[in-house]
Amino acid sequence: SQTIHQWPATLVQPVGSPLSLECTVEGTSNPNLYWYRQAAGRGLQLLFYSVGIGQISSEVPQNLSASRPQDRQFILSSKKLLLSDSGFYLCAWSRPPSDTQYFGPGTRLTVL
Amino acid sequence: AQSVTQLDSHVSVSEGTPVLLRCNYSSSYSPSLFWYVQHPNKGLQLLLKYTSAATLVKGINGFEAEFKKSETSFHLTKPSAHMSDAAEYFCVVSPVKGSQGNLIFGKGTKLSVKP
Repeated sequence: SQTIHQWPATLVQPVGSPLSLECTVEGTSNPNLYWYRQAAGRGLQLLFYSVGIGQISSEVPQNLSASRPQDRQFILSSKKLLLSDSGFYLCAWSRPPSDTQYFGPGTRLTVL
Repeated sequence: AQSVTQLDSHVSVSEGTPVLLRCNYSSSYSPSLFWYVQHPNKGLQLLLKYTSAATLVKGINGFEAEFKKSETSFHLTKPSAHMSDAAEYFCVVSPVKGSQGNLIFGKGTKLSVKP
């Protein structure tokens, strides 16, 4: 069976500090991978998705970036965090041709 | 344009009574439709998915949803609520079957269950 991991589970960072969130998927190959942010009162927002190693599509221009160094690894980064980056970050995967997405447990990021 | 509207931001029921969470969608094509559940500080869990094989879709934990094309609705129901059903529920549409990266999420319905 497939499993998706995210770490860390929680993170408190000062404004202006860097960020690295990691997501890994087990039990499947060549998945599509997604990063979402869920901010209070703003619903679920797709940030990035990837259909393969090194292939990243950005949905929302901002100070975040994503990378996919390995087939089942997806990393969300920032060089300098803003207060507005606080939120719950969710990683998800799907296996083409299915459009069903399966979500990880999430990372709660608080920027102070 | 594709969209999804969850008609209630908050629904409160008593334990043992039926649950109805309403969702309307707009899509130019024959969509895939999903319901996900999210417990506090947890990821989203897939409850069920409609793919046109059958209009009544059964999911996990006793939930089911009925696709009504004429009403563009995909309401989620459960005959008898449990305390553990208290969570936020999201109706989601994939406007074009098999499309990648552009699921459209509703704003969510928070379900409260009173003892």
